[in-house]
Amino acid sequence: DTAVSQTPKYLVTQMGNDKSIKCEQNLGHDTMYWYKQDSKKFLKIMFSYNNKELIINETVPNRFSPKSPDKAHLNLHINSLELGDSAVYFCASSPWTSGGTDTQYFGPGTRLTVL
Amino acid sequence: DAKTTQPTSMDCAEGRAANLPCNHSTISGNEYVYWYRQIHSQGPQYIIHGLKNNETNEMASLIITEDRKSSTLILPHATLRDTAVYYCIVRNPYSGNTGKLIFGQGTTLQVKP
Repeated sequence: DTAVSQTPKYLVTQMGNDKSIKCEQNLGHDTMYWYKQDSKKFLKIMFSYNNKELIINETVPNRFSPKSPDKAHLNLHINSLELGDSAVYFCASSPWTSGGTDTQYFGPGTRLTVL
Repeated sequence: DAKTTQPTSMDCAEGRAANLPCNHSTISGNEYVYWYRQIHSQGPQYIIHGLKNNETNEMASLIITEDRKSSTLILPHATLRDTAVYYCIVRNPYSGNTGKLIFGQGTTLQVKP
């Protein structure tokens, strides 16, 4: 049973295209995240949602728009893809315990390559 | 910016204990120390966390100094599958309820046969 799943695993596309990455968690968690890992392997948070509400937006370009249809899903839509968007994108989720967030569980990642 | 300092890389012989240090001299009283690892091409994996007492679970032990300015993650019997990048992160899980993890460069642990 996959806890946090992402689709697709690999995504190769041309500059200027629009693409989406989907994330689903079956852990019953309230909070979900998107992280970006660039070519230098630095992992950086992009967005966080709690119960479908945005709580973190780390100065990410407007071309990136997360959407949470329900608390088990957090999708990432990217408009007008640029070369610099090439990276591995990780989805994560965590429970909301005693008013705070706990251990995060990460998905397997989506490797996006923009040509 | 990450609030921790870790060695860039370490080697360990298979079957021996791997001791990974982390400095967090500016840690505040309500910040916990978390350890995650990332095996090549996989998502980060939670290992352990603690506030001030030493902690142990099925994966590892966490030793935190009395002044809380540094800690050591111990993998008691390292295997080849423990080869990964290990991240030490300090955070207050209740601060603003944001939950974000700030990853530094981590320590690349190479377990050798």
